[in-house]
Amino acid sequence: GAVVSQHPSWVICKSGTSVKIECRSLDFQATTMFWYRQFPKQSLMLMATSNEGSKATYEQGVEKDKFLINHASLTLSTLTVTSAHPEDSSFYICSARTPSVGSGNTIYFGEGSWLTVV
Amino acid sequence: GENVEQHPSTLSVQEGDSAVIKCTYSDSASNYFPWYKQELGKRPQLIIDIRSNVGEKKDQRIAVTLNKTAKHFSLHITETQPEDSAVYFCAASIYAGNMLTFGGGTRLMVKP
Repeated sequence: GAVVSQHPSWVICKSGTSVKIECRSLDFQATTMFWYRQFPKQSLMLMATSNEGSKATYEQGVEKDKFLINHASLTLSTLTVTSAHPEDSSFYICSARTPSVGSGNTIYFGEGSWLTVV
Repeated sequence: GENVEQHPSTLSVQEGDSAVIKCTYSDSASNYFPWYKQELGKRPQLIIDIRSNVGEKKDQRIAVTLNKTAKHFSLHITETQPEDSAVYFCAASIYAGNMLTFGGGTRLMVKP
């Protein structure tokens, strides 16, 4: 199947600093990627839809100025957590949509990135 | 927007028994219903999915049923094995490839 890679797998940062997480589709072009956040023992919650070449669409309650999303190429979307605080500590997972072929699109998830803010 | 409820939150079964997880959704526009298995700290893995034009789908020990009128769908795992132990999430989407709304998850424990 298609491969979606996230980097870094885990990161520890100091409170008040910013951290960038990358999501790459390695063997297909993804015009659309999705960013989810998963707190421990909870479900995945959609944060935003990342569209190549245009602004991301954020879900209600997600601060767009705090969670900056850039989808500058067809294989890369980045999520930057700005001025991180301990409550931002979470598992961040991206997913990428394959181009529509035959029966339609498929979603592939990245490996996820653990963020710990100290 | 879509709201997906999942039950039970935890499920413990004996090896070899069957496990059933149920989900309900609120948006009648949803047409795609995948199920994911997630192990701790790892990405969700798609185990089976069903589209709204189908009432049931089976893949070896795993089956999913969909009642679009009642807006509920279920995951059935037969002959459970210890390696089936994980957290399972149902999800709903307007179409395959679109954003997913996940249920709250079910922690399945299969006792040897």
